[in-house]
Amino acid sequence: KAGVTQTPRYLIKTRGQQVTLSCSPISGHRSVSWYQQTPGQGLQFLFEYFSETQRNKGNFPGRFSGRQFSNSRSEMNVSTLELGDSALYLCASSLAFRPGAGNEQFFGPGTRLTVL
Amino acid sequence: GESVGLHLPTLSVQEGDNSIINCAYSNSASDYFIWYKQESGKGPQFIIDIRSNMDKRQGQRVTVLLNKTVKHLSLQIAATQPGDSAVYFCAEGQSGSARQLTFGSGTQLTVLP
Repeated sequence: KAGVTQTPRYLIKTRGQQVTLSCSPISGHRSVSWYQQTPGQGLQFLFEYFSETQRNKGNFPGRFSGRQFSNSRSEMNVSTLELGDSALYLCASSLAFRPGAGNEQFFGPGTRLTVL
Repeated sequence: GESVGLHLPTLSVQEGDNSIINCAYSNSASDYFIWYKQESGKGPQFIIDIRSNMDKRQGQRVTVLLNKTVKHLSLQIAATQPGDSAVYFCAEGQSGSARQLTFGSGTQLTVLP
């Protein structure tokens, strides 16, 4: 079974631009969560989607948004990029959207975003 | 806000020895805890989880211990191997609510030959 895939793997943008990242979950998984990982802040939860609906959102500004399609694939968008948005963006999929045994999250390799 | 933190940022162990990685959590409402391993250039990989109704859970070469009294979590790796070198994160969540895992800052485990 293929794992979580994320595209692109690396991205370089300049301040003020916008970016869209893509995530394909494991087949059969309907929940997709997004995380931002930086050396200073560690892993921080962005949002989670299940059945095309955002179920939960972390403490990030409205410049960060996402969506999920009917095939469970998800995209996240960051508008008006800032230098501080440089990070590894991780996507994780799971069967359902509530944490618990039997509903582990499986992470993709991430997209490394650099904002210049 | 409440968060999960790790006691030590780095840990070096000899190959073959046992490793113990510690984690403190502060959200008393958390009832689900997970350990992840992240190798360079990869996303976090699930290792083992434990519910708050358990004190100990064992997997292959790994054991997680949960002490709810002092809000402490530990990961024990038996017979540490070079392939165990990675950053280890603990995470906490609440199984009765929508997912919002809170991750610790991570411990870099280095296995010495």
